[in-house]
Amino acid sequence: EVQLVESGGGLVQPGRSLRLSCTASGFTFEKHAISWFRQAPGKGLEWIAFIKSKPHTGPTEYAASVRGRFTISRDDSNGVAYLQMDSLKTEDTAKYYCARDVGTFWGQGTLVTVSS
Amino acid sequence: DIVLTQTPLSLSVTPEQPASISCKSSQSLLSNDGKTYLYWFLQKPGQAPQVLIYEVYKRFSGVPERFSGSGSETDFTLEISRVEADDVGVYYCMHTLQFPVTFGGGTKVEIK
Repeated sequence: EVQLVESGGGLVQPGRSLRLSCTASGFTFEKHAISWFRQAPGKGLEWIAFIKSKPHTGPTEYAASVRGRFTISRDDSNGVAYLQMDSLKTEDTAKYYCARDVGTFWGQGTLVTVSS
Repeated sequence: DIVLTQTPLSLSVTPEQPASISCKSSQSLLSNDGKTYLYWFLQKPGQAPQVLIYEVYKRFSGVPERFSGSGSETDFTLEISRVEADDVGVYYCMHTLQFPVTFGGGTKVEIK
């Protein structure tokens, strides 16, 4: 069974950093791209980051709203993807989801609250 | 960026009746590889989104046959042939033709 479990969310002050993890199981992690999405309270879905799988090469992709502040990465040996979030803003408050490929399977999400 | 416009915003449906949701794209979602990269998701209350349909009309594994997708280029439709209580939630269309990936605004479906 494909499973994705996000962790690392919490309450953080504006301007600070947080790193989210996405631990995968039930499939060959290194063969699949990983995406991050988010959903602000009471709002719709927003794609924010994408990282390809080996052997594909090329840059990672980011939404304009997070480019330059967020970094997606992956550790294929351990089946984990990460979202490093720097210079956090109050508008980054949302539930963050990781997904296999561009949304075939989703985790249950982790809540990030940016507030002073 | 590609803009996806969903209608209606909300839908109240009697059980066993059909329902239809429209998704219109600001540009064609037909790729050079011949595929059209339009997905439909359902987000049930308190849950993560789950994929229903990919590439316009292909039902994802385990999705009931009452869900069907159709359309081409810029106009797409999700149809539920006979709505059940378990179908309540917010439906989203999404494209993956290019980055940024974008979603429609969502259609909330409730049961009368």
